[in-house]
Parts: sequence; C-alpha cells; structure tokens
Amino acid sequence: EAQVTQNPRYLITVTGKKLTVTCSQNMNHEYMSWYRQDPGLGLRQIYYSMNVEVTDKGDVPEGYKVSRKEKRNFPLILESPSPNQTSLYFCASSLNRAVNTEAFFGQGTRLTVV
Amino acid sequence: DAKTTQPTSMDCAEGRAANLPCNHSTISGNEYVYWYRQIHSQGPQYIIHGLKNNETNEMASLIITEDRKSSTLILPHATLRDTAVYYCIVQAYNNDMRFGAGTRLTVKP
Repeated sequence: EAQVTQNPRYLITVTGKKLTVTCSQNMNHEYMSWYRQDPGLGLRQIYYSMNVEVTDKGDVPEGYKVSRKEKRNFPLILESPSPNQTSLYFCASSLNRAVNTEAFFGQGTRLTVV
Repeated sequence: DAKTTQPTSMDCAEGRAANLPCNHSTISGNEYVYWYRQIHSQGPQYIIHGLKNNETNEMASLIITEDRKSSTLILPHATLRDTAVYYCIVQAYNNDMRFGAGTRLTVKP
C-alpha cells in the first residue's frame, strides 16, 4: 500500500531537548516536504526536498533542520525545541515538484514542547 | 501562485450533492486547481485536480468555469464521512502548495 509514515504520532518533550520526527515513503517519490499546522494559521511549509541531498527552506524554516540522505526518508530535526514549536506536523511526498501530480500526506505528529 | 477564496463553512444534507465553490480570479494560464480535504486532524487527502476541463473521478467532480476564475467541487452523494475541511489550491509548475483556510463542510443526517 502506498503510504507516507511518520513517527512518532504523539510526542511531549521539554524545551531544549533535541528531537527527530521521522518520515518515510514507499512510492519512490522524488519530492518530499514538511508542514506544520496551527489553529488559525493553517498548513505552512517548513522545508522541502526535490531529491536526495537537495533540500530548501519553505515558509517557516526557523528552528528546524532536515536531511535527505536516502530517497525514501526525510527526517525533521528540532535541535533545541521551544514551546512555539508545539504544533501538528505533516510530512508529504509526491512524484516530483511538477504540477499534475498528487501529494500524499502522513498521519501527522502532534508535538508538545513544555 | 494565485490566491483562492472559499466560504468558511457549509452544511449539506446526507445523500445530497455538496457543491463547494472556490474563487481564483487571479489564476494564470499554467496554474492547476487542486482540491484536498482534511478529516479531523488527519493528513490532507487528495481529491481531484484540473487545468481547464471538467474532471471526474470516483470521489468527486471538478467544474472549472470557462474563464478559469472559479471552480466548484461536487461530492455527488455526501455522506457523514465527508465531513471535513476542503482546501482549494492553485499551483503553478515547480511551485509548492499553499494551503488557505479552506471550507469546513458539515454533512448532517
């Protein structure tokens, strides 16, 4: 089954403690991205990757890092989480960045930073 | 990318057609219209997309006006499981998706 898998689904952590949210897709997609969703602000893109070793900032990249060492994986790294990063996070993938391709989203990771 | 305008919320009776409008008056020639939905706090789910012509798949139909300045997503027989936030997105080649606030559709028994 084609899917995007995020882990963990829920995470509560303390300020400053480094964490990684993993994202994996099994569709051999080139393009992957991370979004955060906050009430009243909608879904905003954090980072994206057009292919292995190619990543770029989205609209709200501050406080986040990503890496794309393999095509299937695109982890989101919070080196020093702060309470304002409490949010619902989604990973997405699509065949490539071109239009005429649908995006597949993961189930989401609800992060709370205290 | 062109900006979209959608109603904040809509209601629909179960079994009836749900017609969700989207205004994208500044759309340019190379921009596609996409529809996604998000059920509760799950990941957004692709529904349908189109450029100029009307499109239909197993989930919905997409009607795009001739001038392409607006479109309508039609769920032909809405069920309670179609209650969700529906996002209309206009996307150009090599650009990223930008989600707006969407329309919260409530299907009522």
